[in-house]
Amino acid sequence: GAVVSQHPSRVICKSGTSVKIECRSLDFQATTMFWYRQFPKQSLMLMATSNEGSKATYEQGVEKDKFLINHASLTLSTLTVTSAHPEDSSFYICSANPTGGSNQPQHFGDGTRLSIL
Amino acid sequence: AQRVTQPEKLLSVFKGAPVELKCNYSYSGSPELFWYVQYSRQRLQLLLRHISRESIKGFTADLNKGETSFHLKKPFAQEEDSAMYYCALSGGNYGQNFVFGPGTRLSVLP
Repeated sequence: GAVVSQHPSRVICKSGTSVKIECRSLDFQATTMFWYRQFPKQSLMLMATSNEGSKATYEQGVEKDKFLINHASLTLSTLTVTSAHPEDSSFYICSANPTGGSNQPQHFGDGTRLSIL
Repeated sequence: AQRVTQPEKLLSVFKGAPVELKCNYSYSGSPELFWYVQYSRQRLQLLLRHISRESIKGFTADLNKGETSFHLKKPFAQEEDSAMYYCALSGGNYGQNFVFGPGTRLSVLP
């Protein structure tokens, strides 16, 4: 089945550091990938839609200068949390579905737990 | 705008009892509905989707367009079914307009 790999799985860093999270589709191409944030004991919240070769689409309330998204190829999207602060600590999950299918289910990465000290 | 609701945040049942996780949606077109499950410390994974009409791990879900519901059911709950369950809706191509419900935590008691 379709596999999405997310790296790193856990990051602990000091306030002010920028952190890059990678999301790769291992055995399929994905024109579109999605980035979610999950607060403890809450549902996933869509942050942005990453589009290959074009700008990402951000959800309302998500700072695009804070959460930089790059989708340089059909198998890789990156989320960079710039100048991270403790309130950015959360669980970040990416997802993708194969290009060419409509209404296909999402395949999720394992997520990245970000802890800012 | 599309929306998915799951009225129960927490549902506790005893092992062997029937379980029903409720999901209602609002969408103007013809959506595709999914159930995802997240076991403790594991990734979110697809449980089932309405168009496949299959039973996974004993779970079934029927899309009721009249009631705009997609409830998840299992006749005899097992302890290993304890997890977080999310109902989701996809209303566009390539996963756009993909909306999750708030989730229901199922706890199956011994």
